[in-house]
Amino acid sequence: AQTVTQSQPEMSVQEAETVTLSCTYDTSESDYYLFWYKQPPSRQMILVIRQEAYKQQNATENRFSVNFQKAAKSFSLKISDSQLGDAAMYFCACIQGAQKLVFGQGTRLTINP
Amino acid sequence: DTGVSQDPRHKITKRGQNVTFRCDPISEHNRLYWYRQTLGQGPEFLTYFQNEAQLEKSRLLSDRFSAERPKGSFSTLEIQRTEQGDSAMYLCASSYNNQPQHFGDGTRLSIL
Repeated sequence: AQTVTQSQPEMSVQEAETVTLSCTYDTSESDYYLFWYKQPPSRQMILVIRQEAYKQQNATENRFSVNFQKAAKSFSLKISDSQLGDAAMYFCACIQGAQKLVFGQGTRLTINP
Repeated sequence: DTGVSQDPRHKITKRGQNVTFRCDPISEHNRLYWYRQTLGQGPEFLTYFQNEAQLEKSRLLSDRFSAERPKGSFSTLEIQRTEQGDSAMYLCASSYNNQPQHFGDGTRLSIL
């Protein structure tokens, strides 16, 4: 069975600084995708970034980038130049086979002005 | 693209009552998913449709839960004889084949 673990329940960062959110996962499949989703308070889940497991190159989306370490089954999210609007719950997720997402427990990110 | 729409946004009901939620996916999306999210946790998969066929159900989906997607468009999730433990946010998501899932705002269920 797939599992996704986020070991940081809460993180905080000063506005304009860089923060890294950690995620580890376990899967027996060789073909899978990894995601980071953002869930602002009382708002919908939004896709931040996606990584295909077969790609060695780390995905980047503007200020958001990942460090994908396949052998270590690690998938961290780096947010550069943090903005107040980045404050949210961040969920790491894995998908394989039947395409159901398996989520981690989430990390609450606070941005300090 | 009007996004995934869920109705109602909030539902408060007494224990033992039946409730039904509706999800309207993005129009061209053939896959539709239901998840449940309790406070402080990540969403957990409940069930998944490809077009009108329900292809997978989680063991979390007890006999009191039923989901349908009769014409491969909107979906309903019904909970019969609600219990305190059913209190949660119920999220719907849709996708086109293996493309990323897009989520709705969710329906928050509170059981009195």
